[in-house]
Amino acid sequence: DVKVTQSSRYLVKRTGEKVFLECVQDMDHENMFWYRQDPGLGLRLIYFSYDVKMKEKGDIPEGYSVSREKKERFSLILESASTNQTSMYLCASSWLRTEAFFGQGTRLTVV
Amino acid sequence: SQQGEEDPQALSIQEGENATMNCSYKTSINNLQWYRQNSGRGLVHLILIRSNEREKHSGRLRVTLDTSKKSSSLLITASRAADTASYFCATGVQGAQKLVFGQGTRLTINP
Repeated sequence: DVKVTQSSRYLVKRTGEKVFLECVQDMDHENMFWYRQDPGLGLRLIYFSYDVKMKEKGDIPEGYSVSREKKERFSLILESASTNQTSMYLCASSWLRTEAFFGQGTRLTVV
Repeated sequence: SQQGEEDPQALSIQEGENATMNCSYKTSINNLQWYRQNSGRGLVHLILIRSNEREKHSGRLRVTLDTSKKSSSLLITASRAADTASYFCATGVQGAQKLVFGQGTRLTINP
């Protein structure tokens, strides 16, 4: 079975902290994605990556950056966490133009 | 901006009835996918329909795609209490690697 693992299920951070969310997949997928999910807004794409060291902005990249140094790992970085970044963060991976597999999600609270 | 718009936002039916959810999108696509999310968890892929297909079945699921109207529908037949979840459509955008989600339909099956 494909496995996408996010490093934390729940996370509480302080305003202004630098936050790292890690995602690892075990299926050699080219594509990896970071989404945030908020009530009534569905899933919004933050960043995605289609190869090692390659990244593209999604719909809401402001306040975030990403890193993909190895094919299996895609990190989301909140440079200076703010309360409006409190959300559920979902990582996913896929082969080219096929179904995506999701991690269990990280519920981040910024206080 | 969000690619997919789901309709209705919420749907409540009796067990055994059929549930229909609709999705509209804005740009050209490679494929359209449907996902399910149980409360507070990651998303699970249900079915993928390619842009050159019009209908696809999987168990109790039936998906249609009308590229001229830029719309899709998901039909769940003979609903069960365990089908209670949120359902999302996602579009594989043509010419890009990204996967863009709609806002979702919250389906409640009453026993």
